Amino acid sequence: NAGVTQTPKFRILKIGQSMTLQCAQDMNHNYMYWYRQDPGMGLKLIYYSVGAGITDKGEVPNGYNVSRSTTEDFPLRLELAAPSQTSVYFCASSYSGAPGQPQHFGDGTRLSIL
Amino acid sequence: AQKVTQAQTEISVVEKEDVTLDCVYETRDTTYYLFWYKQPPSGELVFLIRRNSFDEQNEISGRYSWNFQKSTSSFNFTITASQVVDSAVYFCALSVSTGGFKTIFGAGTRLFVKA
Repeated sequence: NAGVTQTPKFRILKIGQSMTLQCAQDMNHNYMYWYRQDPGMGLKLIYYSVGAGITDKGEVPNGYNVSRSTTEDFPLRLELAAPSQTSVYFCASSYSGAPGQPQHFGDGTRLSIL
Repeated sequence: AQKVTQAQTEISVVEKEDVTLDCVYETRDTTYYLFWYKQPPSGELVFLIRRNSFDEQNEISGRYSWNFQKSTSSFNFTITASQVVDSAVYFCALSVSTGGFKTIFGAGTRLFVKA
């Protein structure tokens, strides 16, 4: 019963490098989300998707891109890493059958940009 | 606009004490959902409870209880007889009918339970 799986768990990047944070869920959820959590702060929504082929910006999308080619996968891409993107990133999913469904979270990816 | 305020940044209690975590929300929507999530030191977020705007019944689950009051826009969380394993960051969250039910999270309350 994997739920939401994020890889990698930790990563250090140099300024200007790019990388993709992977997220996969095996619950057949249509809704998927990417959040960032800065120290002492709540979660800020970066991007979300309501189904394969459909994505939309959240509260803090600048510097990130997403794609959703399948129901299971929702990767997050950083094109030109900046120190301000140092954070813990969480992927989440929820069932789309009814509103207000709780979200299921992955274990997070701790990313440092140096 | 929607907002969730958790005014308590950190709370420290001694084991077996009762503790209440406050959550105040703002929204003009009449249909909305409130959540509590727990983030233990290991880092993952765990869903605890959901309450919709039409159900003001309080709920008790073991040592946990939740008090939802629309009159004060509050959804407070009480842990009775706290234990060291309750040490975590607790997030209150709000999901509204506009904007596709995206979820707005409070800043969290860090609870320390000392033995």
